[in-house]
Amino acid sequence: SQQGEEDPQALSIQEGENATMNCSYKTSINNLQWYRQNSGRGLVHLILIRSNEREKHSGRLRVTLDTSKKSSSLLITASRAADTASYFCAPSGGSNYKLTFGKGTLLTVNP
Amino acid sequence: DVKVTQSSRYLVKRTGEKVFLECVQDMDHENMFWYRQDPGLGLRLIYFSYDVKMKEKGDIPEGYSVSREKKERFSLILESASTNQTSMYLCASRQMPAIDTQYFGPGTRLTVL
Repeated sequence: SQQGEEDPQALSIQEGENATMNCSYKTSINNLQWYRQNSGRGLVHLILIRSNEREKHSGRLRVTLDTSKKSSSLLITASRAADTASYFCAPSGGSNYKLTFGKGTLLTVNP
Repeated sequence: DVKVTQSSRYLVKRTGEKVFLECVQDMDHENMFWYRQDPGLGLRLIYFSYDVKMKEKGDIPEGYSVSREKKERFSLILESASTNQTSMYLCASRQMPAIDTQYFGPGTRLTVL
């Protein structure tokens, strides 16, 4: 199954700054998703980008996908303390039932 | 909005007990999943079910079984709980494989003493 690897493992920024986290994967995909997990809670789906898309926006989120480099990035603009969470990418080959999650990036936004 | 609920947020059990974790989704999703999440190891898939009474082992099924008698409910069973099963357990559902987005419950933090 696919597995994404998030980088960095941890990121600490000030409120109002932008946060960028990256995801790399190894085999071809149909789509790639990003999820957020607040401390001690379940994961929440943020955004899905398909393999034929290069960039997608949703509110303060911007996701890019470079299939030639097998990588994706998630940019959160004008971060808020409420954005403090772990962020996971989940690449999917489409034919496989399973999503495999990496260890995530822990983002801390300081007020 | 899709809602996935789990029977307990926190659970404390003793070694050797049989433990049931229940998950219910309200959107008629075909697929349901059980994961465990441990520090430094990320999320690992225990079992998933692609339809009623259908199940498939994930990456770490040892020590667990599952039951899906109704479409909306997916149960994870620890036949004889052990301390190494202390973990956060997350349930998720998905409409169908062609629609990849998974919807997660709030999680059950299980402690086995």
